[in-house]
Amino acid sequence: NAGVTQTPKFRILKIGQSMTLQCTQDMNHNYMYWYRQDPGMGLKLIYYSVGAGITDKGEVPNGYNVSRSTTEDFPLRLELAAPSQTSVYFCASKRSSYNSPLHFGNGTRLTVT
Amino acid sequence: DQQVKQNSPSLSVQEGRISILNCDYTNSMFDYFLWYKKYPAEGPTFLISISSIKDKNEDGRFTVFLNKSAKHLSLHIVPSQPGDSAVYFCAASGEAGGSEKLVFGKGMKLTVNP
Repeated sequence: NAGVTQTPKFRILKIGQSMTLQCTQDMNHNYMYWYRQDPGMGLKLIYYSVGAGITDKGEVPNGYNVSRSTTEDFPLRLELAAPSQTSVYFCASKRSSYNSPLHFGNGTRLTVT
Repeated sequence: DQQVKQNSPSLSVQEGRISILNCDYTNSMFDYFLWYKKYPAEGPTFLISISSIKDKNEDGRFTVFLNKSAKHLSLHIVPSQPGDSAVYFCAASGEAGGSEKLVFGKGMKLTVNP
């Protein structure tokens, strides 16, 4: 099992550009999440999904969009990149049973200049 | 409004000694608590968890204690090893049967000196 795979690992964007952060998992997990981590801060939830075709907003969804067409994939879209979106982005997944832990990918480091 | 607080940003201990990492929470609806460890350039990895029906959970060198009345939990690492040097995140959730969104603290950097 590869677990949770995120691509790319690094990306530099100019203000106003758009991009998609890819996330795929091979553990057949129903629940998937996108978090961002700013320096010295904890992880803040952007969007999450409890299954294919179902997504919902987290704590900091503004400026982002997601889709969940398959169980395996949960891409995160930035439409108009802003410097405030400079961060490290983590995708995670978990089984749907209560109190099962999150499994994280290794992150995408995004810089918007 | 920080619901999960790790008030100390860093801790340095000697190899072989005990490391105690603290975490406080404000939301009384939280009923499941976890600790994650994170190395640089990697994602967080699950370390240990505790349900609110318990006050202690042990896994090898790692023990988590929960004090519900004080809304406080702590992670004890005994004995500490240099490989334990990492950032540790406390997390909590409280939506039984729901999406189980975790709320994370800011993290604490643990350094174990040989």
